[in-house]
Amino acid sequence: DVKVTQSSRYLVKRTGEKVFLECVQDMDHENMFWYRQDPGLGLRLIYFSYDVKMKEKGDIPEGYSVSREKKERFSLILESASTNQTSMYLCASSLVRVLDQPQHFGDGTRLSIL
Amino acid sequence: AQKITQTQPGMFVQEKEAVTLDCTYDTSDQSYGLFWYKQPSSGEMIFLIYQGSYDEQNATEGRYSLNFQKARKSANLVISASQLGDSAMYFCAMREGGYGNKLVFGAGTILRVKS
Repeated sequence: DVKVTQSSRYLVKRTGEKVFLECVQDMDHENMFWYRQDPGLGLRLIYFSYDVKMKEKGDIPEGYSVSREKKERFSLILESASTNQTSMYLCASSLVRVLDQPQHFGDGTRLSIL
Repeated sequence: AQKITQTQPGMFVQEKEAVTLDCTYDTSDQSYGLFWYKQPSSGEMIFLIYQGSYDEQNATEGRYSLNFQKARKSANLVISASQLGDSAMYFCAMREGGYGNKLVFGAGTILRVKS
């Protein structure tokens, strides 16, 4: 089974802090994704990566950056955390060429910015 | 632009009955895929079922089936014989065309199964 592991289930940070959310997958997937989930809005794509050192902006990249130095690890960075970034963050991975295969998700990180 | 619409914010169903969760989509792509995910209160996203745009048969996976009506651009999830453990948030998602296999998600439907 694919395992996508997010470093924290719950995280509390202060406004202005630099925040790192880590995600690791163990199935050699090329694609990795970061979403945020808010009530009534579903999941919205922040950034994705289809290869090491490659990244593409999603629908809501403002205030975020990402890093993918190794194939298995995809990090989301909040450069200067703000209260409107309080949300549930979900990481996912998938194969790049198998279109009918689902994205596999981690358990999510509930991030609170105070 | 592609869009997924789930018009039912919340649904109730009696245990052992069937329930349909609605999903409509908007795309100009000829090749696309539709996914349903379940999210229990614990937060993890569980893949349920997939339908490709060229699939002629409706997808089925155990108690889950997808009522795919291409002309109406709808991909409703049908859960048969509901169980208490089916209580969760359900998301419909569409794979966009192009590289990267990105998904666009609907807002979700909360399902509550009553005993």
